[in-house]
Amino acid sequence: EAGVAQSPRYKIIEKRQSVAFWCNPISGHATLYWYQQILGQGPKLLIQFQNNGVVDDSQLPKDRFSAERLKGVDSTLKIQPAKLEDSAVYLCASSLSNRLYGYTFGSGTRLTVV
Amino acid sequence: KQEVTQIPAALSVPEGENLVLNCSFTDSAIYNLQWFRQDPGKGLTSLLLIQSSQREQTSGRLNASLDKSSGRSTLYIAASQPGDSATYLCAVGEGAQKLVFGQGTRLTINP
Repeated sequence: EAGVAQSPRYKIIEKRQSVAFWCNPISGHATLYWYQQILGQGPKLLIQFQNNGVVDDSQLPKDRFSAERLKGVDSTLKIQPAKLEDSAVYLCASSLSNRLYGYTFGSGTRLTVV
Repeated sequence: KQEVTQIPAALSVPEGENLVLNCSFTDSAIYNLQWFRQDPGKGLTSLLLIQSSQREQTSGRLNASLDKSSGRSTLYIAASQPGDSATYLCAVGEGAQKLVFGQGTRLTINP
């Protein structure tokens, strides 16, 4: 079974530029998550999708962050404009719509804003 | 609001020792609790998932326990090896399958 795919692996941008991250979840996983992990901290949920609908985006800074999940499969997370404090690892995860099963995480995208 | 705390933040032990990592949470209304391993520059690897109705789960040298009433979970690692060096994160599952993470314990096993 293929895992959760993310790209790019690394990205360096200047502040005020825009950036986009892509995620392809495990086939058949209806639920997709984007987490932000700042160095030395645990991951924090940014947005959760169930198929192509948003379940929770309460911690997404909507003035600069946006996300979509096309046709309930792939997802893109965008930051525009980026700030220095957005430097973090952005993790995508997916799961079945069943609490009996846990999450599967991708390898993440490490973003550095300079 | 759920808060998850992991103690200690860092731990260094010699190879072969048995060790315990601790996780506490403030709201006992959880669906499950999951322990993850994170290697430097990598994503998270799921180690053990404990449902709210369970008391413990075991996988090889790892054993995780859950006490919902006291808001605690422990991860026990037996006969530690240098390859166990990593950051260990616990996360509680609540609501619509949302995970709330602790800040992690950075474990170093010295040969």
